Amino acid sequence: EAQVTQNPRYLITVTGKKLTVTCSQNMNHEYMSWYRQDPGLGLRQIYYSMNVEVTDKGDVPEGYKVSRKEKRNFPLILESPSPNQTSLYFCASSLGVGGTQYFGPGTRLTVL
Amino acid sequence: TQLLEQSPQFLSIQEGENLTVYCNSSSVFSSLQWYRQEPGEGPVLLVTVVTGGEVKKLKRLTFQFGDARKDSSLHITAAQPGDTGLYLCAGPYYGGSQGNLIFGKGTKLSVKP
Repeated sequence: EAQVTQNPRYLITVTGKKLTVTCSQNMNHEYMSWYRQDPGLGLRQIYYSMNVEVTDKGDVPEGYKVSRKEKRNFPLILESPSPNQTSLYFCASSLGVGGTQYFGPGTRLTVL
Repeated sequence: TQLLEQSPQFLSIQEGENLTVYCNSSSVFSSLQWYRQEPGEGPVLLVTVVTGGEVKKLKRLTFQFGDARKDSSLHITAAQPGDTGLYLCAGPYYGGSQGNLIFGKGTKLSVKP
């Protein structure tokens, strides 16, 4: 089944404890992206990637890192999480920039 | 500055009413997509419009792409509670070092029985 998977789905952590949210797609998509969604603010893009080893900042990259070593995986890294990074995070992928975006199920992160 | 402006931001209507939501830009887009997102889930694509003036229908939903490809609208006829959700428009933008898909902030629709 074609899908985007994210793990974990739910995470409660404490300030400063490094964490990684994994994202994987099995559709051989070139374009992948991370978003955070907060009430009233819509989907805000964190980072995106057009292909392996090619990443670029979105609207809100501060406090986040990404890597794209393989086409299928696009992990999101929070080196030192802070409470203002408490949010619902979505990973998405598509064949290309204008293609249908397939979203993962979301990761709800709480930073205490 | 938001490249894609959606209006209204919120809409609460009764079952059976008609409604239209808008997605506007000062930039030309090669295509625009519409997504619906239900609470706690990821957005799901409804339709992509690619030709200026194009009209696409999906059951009770009618999507239109403006002639100049700068705007789009979504019209729902006889809304149902199942239409409740966040409606997002998105389009490919090539202004940066690499292309990117940008989203509007969405219209949150609530249809009451």
